[in-house]
Amino acid sequence: AQSVTQLGSHVSVSEGALVLLRCNYSSSVPPYLFWYVQYPNQGLQLLLKYTTGATLVKGINGFEAEFKKSETSFHLTKPSAHMSDAAEYFCAVSFLYNQGGKLIFGQGTELSVKP
Amino acid sequence: KAGVTQTPRYLIKTRGQQVTLSCSPISGHRSVSWYQQTPGQGLQFLFEYFSETQRNKGNFPGRFSGRQFSNSRSEMNVSTLELGDSALYLCASSYWALRDRGRNTEAFFGQGTRLTVV
Repeated sequence: AQSVTQLGSHVSVSEGALVLLRCNYSSSVPPYLFWYVQYPNQGLQLLLKYTTGATLVKGINGFEAEFKKSETSFHLTKPSAHMSDAAEYFCAVSFLYNQGGKLIFGQGTELSVKP
Repeated sequence: KAGVTQTPRYLIKTRGQQVTLSCSPISGHRSVSWYQQTPGQGLQFLFEYFSETQRNKGNFPGRFSGRQFSNSRSEMNVSTLELGDSALYLCASSYWALRDRGRNTEAFFGQGTRLTVV
């Protein structure tokens, strides 16, 4: 069955440090991959997505992610963390060839940024 | 361009009651999906509607139902509420159905409806 695993439910970094949030998926078919961010009491905002083409994807707010098929990974990175990056981040996959294309989410990673 | 609008934002209901949540998608979007978010289960897919037809359904009991109107607005209904139904219910809209191959199926989420069952 298709699934998404986010390693680490909580990640804490210092302001200005590298942000690395890990996401691995399980699938036998090509996935579409997404990263969403959720601020308290808010909905989900799309940071970036991978569908086809270039495997390094750039998103909003300085985030980027690289699709690595051999590792079934789609880790999210940002070179320098800002206090405003503190939020919960969700990796999601969509498999168009089965499961009706619904989004399957990981459990989320809460990012804390220390001054 | 207005985003996805969910009403109400907060709701408190008693066990056994029923509730209806509303979602107005982005203008021009024809697909509306619903998700339940809880601390224990995370984000789980409920169902998707596209052009007034249910295209896909998650693993939820029949107490959870939905519909979509000709203007693409969608409602979700939960009957015979249980304490475990307390959650943030999120609606997402996209232009194409999520299963349409090759389409830009980016989903835009609303702010959600926080349902508390007491």
